[in-house]
Amino acid sequence: SQTIHQWPATLVQPVGSPLSLECTVEGTSNPNLYWYRQAAGRGLQLLFYSVGIGQISSEVPQNLSASRPQDRQFILSSKKLLLSDSGFYLCAWRGPPVGEQFFGPGTRLTVL
Amino acid sequence: GQSLEQPSEVTAVEGAIVQINCTYQTSGFYGLSWYQQHDGGAPTFLSYNGLDGLEETGRFSSFLSRSDSYGYLLLQELQMKDSASYFCAANNQGGKLIFGQGTELSVKP
Repeated sequence: SQTIHQWPATLVQPVGSPLSLECTVEGTSNPNLYWYRQAAGRGLQLLFYSVGIGQISSEVPQNLSASRPQDRQFILSSKKLLLSDSGFYLCAWRGPPVGEQFFGPGTRLTVL
Repeated sequence: GQSLEQPSEVTAVEGAIVQINCTYQTSGFYGLSWYQQHDGGAPTFLSYNGLDGLEETGRFSSFLSRSDSYGYLLLQELQMKDSASYFCAANNQGGKLIFGQGTELSVKP
């Protein structure tokens, strides 16, 4: 069965520090992968999606970037974090059932 | 722009039926998905409507009307464990999901 991993689970970082969040998927090949961010009490905002190695589409211009160095690895990065980057970051992959995405456990990021 | 509107909160009692409505305005619409999210957790998939009509999965049903840009999630025989946030999400090209802001459902005894 398919599994999606994210780490770390929680992260507290100072403003201006770099960020690297990793997402890996097991049990599937060539998945479509997605990064979302959720602010407290809000819906999920799509940040990036990738249909394959090295292929990244950015949905919202901002202080973040994404990379897909391997088929089942998706990385979210920032060179200098802002206070507004705080939130719950979720990685997801699109399953064969139409309309369904499977989410990882998420990383809760607090920028101080 | 693309947007989905749903009520911010709904309260119901155990055993009751509740309906959460969602209206959408998006381009490249493929269908409407519903997700459940408990406090601190990741969203989990509940239902998808790609065609007009009703889809039933156990106690949960979902409906879509493309002509009205409207859908709803129906939860029957409510249980305490159904207390959570519920999100409608428009499916766009590439499998991208555009989420509503969520409806917080509180189930009271």
